[in-house]
Amino acid sequence: NAGVTQTPKFQVLKTGQSMTLQCAQDMNHEYMSWYRQDPGMGLRLIHYSVGAGITDQGEVPNGYNVSRSTTEDFPLRLLSAAPSQTSVYFCASRVNRDWRLWDGSSGANVLTFGAGSRLTVL
Amino acid sequence: KNQVEQSPQSLIILEGKNCTLQCNYTVSPFSNLRWYKQDTGRGPVSLTIMTFSENTKSNGRYTATLDADTKQSSLHITASQLSDSASYICVVSALPNDYKLSFGAGTTVTVRA
Repeated sequence: NAGVTQTPKFQVLKTGQSMTLQCAQDMNHEYMSWYRQDPGMGLRLIHYSVGAGITDQGEVPNGYNVSRSTTEDFPLRLLSAAPSQTSVYFCASRVNRDWRLWDGSSGANVLTFGAGSRLTVL
Repeated sequence: KNQVEQSPQSLIILEGKNCTLQCNYTVSPFSNLRWYKQDTGRGPVSLTIMTFSENTKSNGRYTATLDADTKQSSLHITASQLSDSASYICVVSALPNDYKLSFGAGTTVTVRA
């Protein structure tokens, strides 16, 4: 298993350009999510999906679009990049087991992260 | 708003020494608390996860504790190694589902020989 694969690892954009960060997982995870990590702050949820065709907003969704056409892929689109979107982006996935079915922490939903994509918007 | 506060922000320890990291949270209703290790330039990796019914969990030289009453957790690193140099992130989840996690800003640990 490759786990969670993110591309590209590095990208430089000019203000107003668009681009897509790719995320793919081969673990058949229902839940996938995108986070951004900024200096001195915790990771913040941008968008998430609990299955193909289902997406929802997180804490900081403005300026980002997502879609989930397959279980494996969850791309993040920046339609018109702004300097405020300069950040490190992480994709993460996990199974979507109902917490009431957890068997202690051993049966809990562990989140697997990709290696990250560093985006700079000039 | 659910919050997770970690302390200290950073610390430096000598190889072989122990250290303890703190995490306070206001997430409610509480579901579970996780500690992640993030090496520089990499994604976070899970160390431990504790549900509301657990108050301690070990993973090798890492031991996490949870006090759900005071909403505090700690991560203790025993006999530190150079490879322990990383950022340690506390993550808390609220009921009814596990969709939105609250992340602390992390504690950066530097282990020196």
